[in-house]
Amino acid sequence: DTEVTQTPKHLVMGMTNKKSLKCEQHMGHRAMYWYKQKAKKPPELMFVYSYEKLSINESVPSRFSPECPNSSLLNLHLHALQPEDSALYLCASSLSGPEYTEAFFGQGTRLTVV
Amino acid sequence: TQLLEQSPQFLSIQEGENLTVYCNSSSVFSSLQWYRQEPGEGPVLLVTVVTGGEVKKLKRLTFQFGDARKDSSLHITAAQPGDTGLYLCARVGGAGSYQLTFGKGTKLSVIP
Repeated sequence: DTEVTQTPKHLVMGMTNKKSLKCEQHMGHRAMYWYKQKAKKPPELMFVYSYEKLSINESVPSRFSPECPNSSLLNLHLHALQPEDSALYLCASSLSGPEYTEAFFGQGTRLTVV
Repeated sequence: TQLLEQSPQFLSIQEGENLTVYCNSSSVFSSLQWYRQEPGEGPVLLVTVVTGGEVKKLKRLTFQFGDARKDSSLHITAAQPGDTGLYLCARVGGAGSYQLTFGKGTKLSVIP
């Protein structure tokens, strides 16, 4: 199984809503990532989790709150988002440290904030 | 920040033509990766290049890493509509971090 599964695939939410994006992998990877991709732009790193601990936060606003409940799951909790937060949110996983070879990406969640 | 410049930004060609896209930086890379992303999908790794001057082939795709490890190219022979997508080069962060920093990509359209 070399899949990273993201749910939902599409999400429309209002600026006062609270929602969560979910990501799951069963490859035994201990590094997991959230990337944000705006239209016609490359993916940009938001967060890195290593061994279920947050290791990198790329100055992301607090309305995005990541959570790693266990080594297979990664969530991104959303609250009070702005329309400019509309984007494709990609989850990825990889082996960690010097064993890193490649990142496996999910299909992404297409988020629209209205 | 080690910026990755990709060119061209857009490329539209006929099926059967050859093409080359480029990834350049002013900094030396320890390694560089090429990904392809199709609409509505996440990026998928094509190749990792590590050694200066290295050439790797993946069917009709040929990847080259510059001798100075500051640039890379992707050459596609006899392009097919299935090659359509966004081609991204990426640097892997070092010193214990493994985040990817992507170039802006080359959007390739192969017309049947």
